[in-house]
Amino acid sequence: NAGVTQTPKFQVLKTGQSMTLQCAQDMNHEYMSWYRQDPGMGLRLIHYSVGAGITDQGEVPNGYNVSRSTTEDFPLRLLSAAPSQTSVYFCASRFTGQAGELFFGEGSRLTVL
Amino acid sequence: SQQGEEDPQALSIQEGENATMNCSYKTSINNLQWYRQNSGRGLVHLILIRSNEREKHSGRLRVTLDTSKKSSSLLITASRAADTASYFCATGPNSKLTFGKGITLSVRP
Repeated sequence: NAGVTQTPKFQVLKTGQSMTLQCAQDMNHEYMSWYRQDPGMGLRLIHYSVGAGITDQGEVPNGYNVSRSTTEDFPLRLLSAAPSQTSVYFCASRFTGQAGELFFGEGSRLTVL
Repeated sequence: SQQGEEDPQALSIQEGENATMNCSYKTSINNLQWYRQNSGRGLVHLILIRSNEREKHSGRLRVTLDTSKKSSSLLITASRAADTASYFCATGPNSKLTFGKGITLSVRP
């Protein structure tokens, strides 16, 4: 199993450009989520999904869109990138139901100029 | 906003020593988790302790939970250079797990 796979690993954007961060998992997890990690801020939840066709907002959803058309994939879209979105983004997944460990991808480092 | 807050922010110890890290949280919880993050990598789950448990062990890790004080501690015994990493506690509803800002542990060879 590959686990949680994120692409790209690194990306540089100009202000106003749009892009999609890809996340795929092969563990048949119902729950998937996106976090951003900034120095001194820890990890903050952007959006999450408890199954195909279901998404909801986390703590910092503004400027980001998500969709969940399949169990495996949970892409994160930046509609119009801003310098404040410079961050490291992590996708994470797990089974729903009982509390359990989150499985994280290796991260996508995004710089917005 | 962070539910859990780790303490200290940074910790430097000699290989072979024990490392103790603390986490305090604000509201009642069903469980608390600890994660490790090596530099430039994703987070890795270490251990989960439920609100009705007081102590849990996993290899060289020992986690305690005091719900009356709303606090947890992570003890790493006989530390190794490979334990150098950031450590996070995480709490909250299953769908909205929140993380503290993390503790940076450096283990000197």
